[in-house]
Amino acid sequence: DSGVTQTPKHLITATGQRVTLRCSPRSGDLSVYWYQQSLDQGLQFLIQYYNGEERAKGNILERFSAQQFPDLHSELNLSSLELGDSALYFCASSVAGTGGEKLFFGSGTQLSVL
Amino acid sequence: GENVEQHPSTLSVQEGDSAVIKCTYSDSASNYFPWYKQELGKGPQLIIDIRSNVGEKKDQRIAVTLNKTAKHFSLHITETQPEDSAVYFCAALGSGGYQKVTFGTGTKLQVIP
Repeated sequence: DSGVTQTPKHLITATGQRVTLRCSPRSGDLSVYWYQQSLDQGLQFLIQYYNGEERAKGNILERFSAQQFPDLHSELNLSSLELGDSALYFCASSVAGTGGEKLFFGSGTQLSVL
Repeated sequence: GENVEQHPSTLSVQEGDSAVIKCTYSDSASNYFPWYKQELGKGPQLIIDIRSNVGEKKDQRIAVTLNKTAKHFSLHITETQPEDSAVYFCAALGSGGYQKVTFGTGTKLQVIP
């Protein structure tokens, strides 16, 4: 158990819909990272928050947004969903505020867009 | 930006044999190289990491080597066991300011009993 909690584990929805993925980092970790994993794209970095502030952006679509709350949990919002958004979404946390050393990953949310 | 290539994409070995996974990176400023293991239905888990000022690091049956000149690093697993079967990802992290972790495409390792 990594100590990172992600909910829900599975999500099935239709095109055009909006969903919210939730992540609770390990106790004491200030950084939260979101990754998308698909068969043909591997692990793609989406966005990082550190202590409530956006720290870095990766290949995140404009239809996607995230935030980190004062209690340090984070949410990833995906809107106007398309079939191609179907993937496994991981949240990771770390103590460090820069870069992403020693990431601890949650078990992921499997999103299926039908 | 950083580009990490990983080979092979799949690897089958007999139990007890060694397994080697190789990665190359493009950014000579990268200075931190972690390896993650992802078991079925789980998130990636850090198994070993190495910094650019070190050429080799070992942890029981796992070792990582780094050749900065050639910009490649490798994961070595000795005396493989069935529980080593998983997908392994290499990654690289640049230096200076904020640099994100770039992952390789993964190697699916199968250890045959």
